Amino acid sequence: DTAVSQTPKYLVTQMGNDKSIKCEQNLGHDTMYWYKQDSKKFLKIMFSYNNKELIINETVPNRFSPKSPDKAHLNLHINSLELGDSAVYFCASSRGPMQYNEQFFGPGTRLTVL
Amino acid sequence: GNSVTQMEGPVTLSEEAFLTINCTYTATGYPSLFWYVQYPGEGLQLLLKATKADDKGSNKGFEATYRKETTSFHLEKGSVQVSDSAVYFCALSEDAGNMLTFGGGTRLMVKP
Repeated sequence: DTAVSQTPKYLVTQMGNDKSIKCEQNLGHDTMYWYKQDSKKFLKIMFSYNNKELIINETVPNRFSPKSPDKAHLNLHINSLELGDSAVYFCASSRGPMQYNEQFFGPGTRLTVL
Repeated sequence: GNSVTQMEGPVTLSEEAFLTINCTYTATGYPSLFWYVQYPGEGLQLLLKATKADDKGSNKGFEATYRKETTSFHLEKGSVQVSDSAVYFCALSEDAGNMLTFGGGTRLMVKP
């Protein structure tokens, strides 16, 4: 059974398009996250949700809009895609927002903007 | 702000060699510390963690000790295997959302 799943695994699209990435966790966790990994493997937090409410937004452009319809899902919608959005996007979840909670990561979505 | 610095790779070792990957951190408070591993084409997996000073995290032969006095969390393994080839990330987390701050990652290549 997959703990944290993401769809799609690969996404290739043109500049200016709008796209969504979906994330689901079946671990019963309360907190979910989106991270971006660039071409040099550097990882950076984008958003964090706890019980469907946004708790972290790390100066991400407004073109990125996360949505959490329930605790098990955190989707990422991106408007007006730019070349610099090309990256691997990872979803993660944890039992809660406290620092000692291990985060479980999904397999990643590789986004390529042409 | 918080930051994590780890040695740049790649680190290339022969099988059964001793491994050390250095990691130091800067934090405003008292963070929890983690090592994550990323195998090719996969997501990150937690390797080990430590939540307070002098704690030693260990898993699959890997160890790291939380050293508050030197703000370090170096990863060690006594005898590496080819299957350990991956990218290793040191990370910290503080309260206020549990957001992970990652180091730049260290690629380990183990040759038979």
